[in-house]
Amino acid sequence: AQKITQTQPGMFVQEKEAVTLDCTYDTSDQSYGLFWYKQPSSGEMIFLIYQGSYDEQNATEGRYSLNFQKARKSANLVISASQLGDSAMYFCAMREGRGTYKYIFGTGTRLKVLA
Amino acid sequence: NAGVTQTPKFRILKIGQSMTLQCTQDMNHNYMYWYRQDPGMGLKLIYYSVGAGITDKGEVPNGYNVSRSTTEDFPLRLELAAPSQTSVYFCASWRASGAYEQYFGPGTRLTVT
Repeated sequence: AQKITQTQPGMFVQEKEAVTLDCTYDTSDQSYGLFWYKQPSSGEMIFLIYQGSYDEQNATEGRYSLNFQKARKSANLVISASQLGDSAMYFCAMREGRGTYKYIFGTGTRLKVLA
Repeated sequence: NAGVTQTPKFRILKIGQSMTLQCTQDMNHNYMYWYRQDPGMGLKLIYYSVGAGITDKGEVPNGYNVSRSTTEDFPLRLELAAPSQTSVYFCASWRASGAYEQYFGPGTRLTVT
């Protein structure tokens, strides 16, 4: 069965430093998508970055990059130059392959950026 | 485009009452989803739809029903509300030929007492 695991319930990082949020996944599909979402205290879900299972290069979006290691089934989010506004919950998610396109979410990591 | 809209934003229900959470999207997305998020937890899929007239159960469907009569609307029905259904409910939509990500509504905070 598909599964997403985020093992870090909470993380602290100093402002302007980089931080890595871990995500491992389990699937038997060959085609799937991996996502990271940010949820600030206001509650909305904000899309950050996407990685397709067939993408050979790691995805990057501004200060966000996804460290995709397919053989290890990991999809870690790297935030560079952390800002106070990065304090939020971060969710890793996987979209199943062709057909149902169901999404599975991890339990999240709460990131706190320290001034 | 308004994106994905949800109503109401907040609702308090008494045990045993019923209600419908509304979700509408104006992006012509064929896939729509309902999730619930319990405090401090991730999102769990309740029901999803791959197009008008087609729905299927997700991970936690018990106590809920859905319908999809149009592309735009995907209402979630709670019958006989229970305290365990206290949660934040998110609706989301996606088009397979479009952008990669799901688009989320702002959520409905539901309390059952």
